[in-house]
Amino acid sequence: GENVEQHPSTLSVQEGDSAVIKCTYSDSASNYFPWYKQELGKRPQLIIDIRSNVGEKKDQRIAVTLNKTAKHFSLHITETQPEDSAVYFCAAQNTGNQFYFGTGTSLTVIP
Amino acid sequence: GAGVSQTPSNKVTEKGKYVELRCDPISGHTALYWYRQSLGQGPEFLIYFQGTGAADDSGLPNDRFFAVRPEGSVSTLKIQRTERGDSAVYLCASSPKGLGGEQFFGPGTRLTVL
Repeated sequence: GENVEQHPSTLSVQEGDSAVIKCTYSDSASNYFPWYKQELGKRPQLIIDIRSNVGEKKDQRIAVTLNKTAKHFSLHITETQPEDSAVYFCAAQNTGNQFYFGTGTSLTVIP
Repeated sequence: GAGVSQTPSNKVTEKGKYVELRCDPISGHTALYWYRQSLGQGPEFLIYFQGTGAADDSGLPNDRFFAVRPEGSVSTLKIQRTERGDSAVYLCASSPKGLGGEQFFGPGTRLTVL
């Protein structure tokens, strides 16, 4: 089955700085990679996703890059704000339609 | 429109009891997923429905866990003879299509087994 690893587990940045979270996956057939933001006690919310035929996708301050050869993908948040503080999860969907999640990164943006 | 809803929001039960957790997906979404999320962990896949059938139940931890979706809409996750280790937040998600489709999560049911 698929195995998704996520680093770092915790990340603190100063407001205005950038944050980068990295994930690796094991199943080369996985083809859809969403990122979720989860605030304490709330449901995961999709913030950006990327498909295997695309190398990079950007949405305002958030971008995701995918390296299929190396089987890793990364989330980049620029100009961080205190409201970006949350737990972020990466996920990979395989051809069996299962989603496998990383263990999460707790991001703290210090004002 | 209405999002994914789950009931109850909290469930406290005693070890050995039977529980049912309900998920109402977004209308028209054919794919439905159940996950279990323990504190400090990512959602763990349990089972996936496409329509009425369980397309993949390989994530169910053992035969105490069972899920149904008889009419292709509402789904119920059933846990028999609950154990303390079953305590977690159970999340449901639906998607308008299967492969490559965005998932929309429900608020979850927090299950506590005493």
